[in-house]
Amino acid sequence: AQKITQTQPGMFVQEKEAVTLDCTYDTSDPSYGLFWYKQPSSGEMIFLIYQGSYDQQNATEGRYSLNFQKARKSANLVISASQLGDSAMYFCAMRLNQAGTALIFGKGTTLSVSS
Amino acid sequence: DAGVIQSPRHEVTEMGQEVTLRCKPISGHNSLFWYRQTMMRGLELLIYFNNNVPIDDSGMPEDRFSAKMPNASFSTLKIQPSEPRDSAVYFCASSDVDKHGYTFGSGTRLTVV
Repeated sequence: AQKITQTQPGMFVQEKEAVTLDCTYDTSDPSYGLFWYKQPSSGEMIFLIYQGSYDQQNATEGRYSLNFQKARKSANLVISASQLGDSAMYFCAMRLNQAGTALIFGKGTTLSVSS
Repeated sequence: DAGVIQSPRHEVTEMGQEVTLRCKPISGHNSLFWYRQTMMRGLELLIYFNNNVPIDDSGMPEDRFSAKMPNASFSTLKIQPSEPRDSAVYFCASSDVDKHGYTFGSGTRLTVV
């Protein structure tokens, strides 16, 4: 069965510092996609970044990058130059690359950025 | 593009009452998903549809829960009768199978008293 594990319930970082949020996954399927979402206190789910299992390079989107280590089955999110507005819950999710398959989410990590 | 539209945003109901949550997916998206979020269990997939057809409803907790998608632009999640343990935020999301994006609605916060 597919599973996503986020072992850090909470992380604390100061403004302008980089932070890494951990995510490991488990699947026997060779084709899958990995996602990160941000959920601020207002509650909406905001898509951040996507990595396909066959992508040769790590995905990047602005200050977000995904450290994809396939052999270790990890897909850590790196946020560079943290901002106060980055304080939120962050979810890692996986989808098998079959048409219309649902996302399976980890439990999430709460990130707190201080000035 | 208006995004995924859910209604109502908040619902407070008494135990035993029927509750209906509504979702309008993004036009052109052919997959629709219902999730439930609680502190204890996180984000759980309840059911999803491809081209209006239910594909996997194994996450629906009990027979009290039912979901329909009568057409490509509308879906409902019904709880009858509701119980206090159903209190949660219910999200609807839609996606295009040819692309990677999943877009979530703003959610419905359900409180059953």
